[in-house]
Amino acid sequence: DTGVSQNPRHKITKRGQNVTFRCDPISEHNRLYWYRQTLGQGPEFLTYFQNEAQLEKSRLLSDRFSAERPKGSFSTLEIQRTEQGDSAMYLCASSKRQGGQETQYFGPGTRLLVL
Amino acid sequence: DQQVKQNSPSLSVQEGRISILNCDYTNSMFDYFLWYKKYPAEGPTFLISISSIKDKNEDGRFTVFLNKSAKHLSLHIVPSQPGDSAVYFCAASSSGTSYGKLTFGQGTILTVHP
Repeated sequence: DTGVSQNPRHKITKRGQNVTFRCDPISEHNRLYWYRQTLGQGPEFLTYFQNEAQLEKSRLLSDRFSAERPKGSFSTLEIQRTEQGDSAMYLCASSKRQGGQETQYFGPGTRLLVL
Repeated sequence: DQQVKQNSPSLSVQEGRISILNCDYTNSMFDYFLWYKKYPAEGPTFLISISSIKDKNEDGRFTVFLNKSAKHLSLHIVPSQPGDSAVYFCAASSSGTSYGKLTFGQGTILTVHP
C-alpha cells in the first residue's frame, strides 16, 4: 500500500499531557499538509511543508502545537499541554505538483480525545 | 468567514437516481476545485477535480460542473448506489499562493436508499 499512513489512529489523553502524531506521506510527494477536523465541519488547514521546510502555519496553530518534517519524508505533529478543545481528527495529506495543479491525498487520520 | 459553503447538510436519494451536491465559494482567487468523499473514522478520499479553465469534468459516474460567474460548483452522481452513502466535501485552492492549501466546505451527508 503506497497511500498516506498515520499513527496512531486513536489517542486518548488527559488534559495537560503532551501527544505526538506521525504521518508518512506517499513516497514521491514533496508536499505535506496537516489539517484538523471537528464534528460537523470540514477539515481546516493547520500547516504545510515543502520537503523539510515548513512554509505556512495557520492562526489555528497555537504555540502549543509544533510540526516537523526533519528529512523531508515523514512528519510529526506535537501538541503540548493538551486542552479539551484540542479533541478532533488530525488529518495529514501529501501531494506533488503536476501541471500547475495538485491533488492532495489524505491519510486515515488520528482521532484525539482529551479528557 | 466561510469561503466555501455547502448549504445542504444532507441529501437523500433513491438508488439508481441522480445525486446532485452543491457548493458555493466567495473567493475569486480560487482556481482549482476538488470533491472528496469521507466515510466515518476514515480520511477523505479524492473523487474528482476541475480547473477554473473548464466548466465540466467527468469520471465514470461522477461529473463536476463549474459556473465561475456564479461561483458555484456541483457534483452529479449517476446512477447513485448505496455504496455512495458518505459525507461529501468540496474544497478549493488558489494557484496564486505558493502552495495548494485547501479550503473545505462543511460537508453534505449523502444517503442512497436501496
